[in-house]
Amino acid sequence: DSGVTQTPKHLITATGQRVTLRCSPRSGDLSVYWYQQSLDQGLQFLIQYYNGEERAKGNILERFSAQQFPDLHSELNLSSLELGDSALYFCASSVRGFSNQPQHFGDGTRLSIL
Amino acid sequence: AQKITQTQPGMFVQEKEAVTLDCTYDTSDPSYGLFWYKQPSSGEMIFLIYQGSYDQQNATEGRYSLNFQKARKSANLVISASQLGDSAMYFCAMREGPDSGAGSYQLTFGKGTKLSVIP
Repeated sequence: DSGVTQTPKHLITATGQRVTLRCSPRSGDLSVYWYQQSLDQGLQFLIQYYNGEERAKGNILERFSAQQFPDLHSELNLSSLELGDSALYFCASSVRGFSNQPQHFGDGTRLSIL
Repeated sequence: AQKITQTQPGMFVQEKEAVTLDCTYDTSDPSYGLFWYKQPSSGEMIFLIYQGSYDQQNATEGRYSLNFQKARKSANLVISASQLGDSAMYFCAMREGPDSGAGSYQLTFGKGTKLSVIP
């Protein structure tokens, strides 16, 4: 158990819809990262938050947005969903200031667009 | 150019034998870190081992060791005494630059190697 909690585990929805993925980081971790894993693109970094503020952006579509709340949990919002958004979405968290410490991943949310 | 290259899409190893999974990386940053993660068929990502660019010795964690050759920009994972439970996808990942203090280090992943352990 990594200590990172993601809900829901599975999500099935239709094109054009909007969904919210939730992540609770490990106790004490201030940084939250979102990654997307798809068959064609592999594992890609989407966005990072640190203590409520956006810190880094990767290959995140404009239809996607995220935020980190005062209690440090984070949500990834995906809107106007397309078939190509079907993927496994991971949240990871890490300890501030220790670059040799790994990012700990949640079990992921598997999103299927029908 | 790809930053992380894993040239072996799939590997087979006999149970109890050792296996090496290849990873080469590309960066011009003098400070970086290399990570290996395991992803079983159930989907979760499990951290295995870390090597920093300034580390003098190769990292080891139990049956996992990292063969770090800085000049060749390679960071191969060695799994000793393979077990059936080692069958999984293995990903090499890199963090570039020092930790800014805000934990700002996104990981760049390779495409992975699927390891199958044969009884």
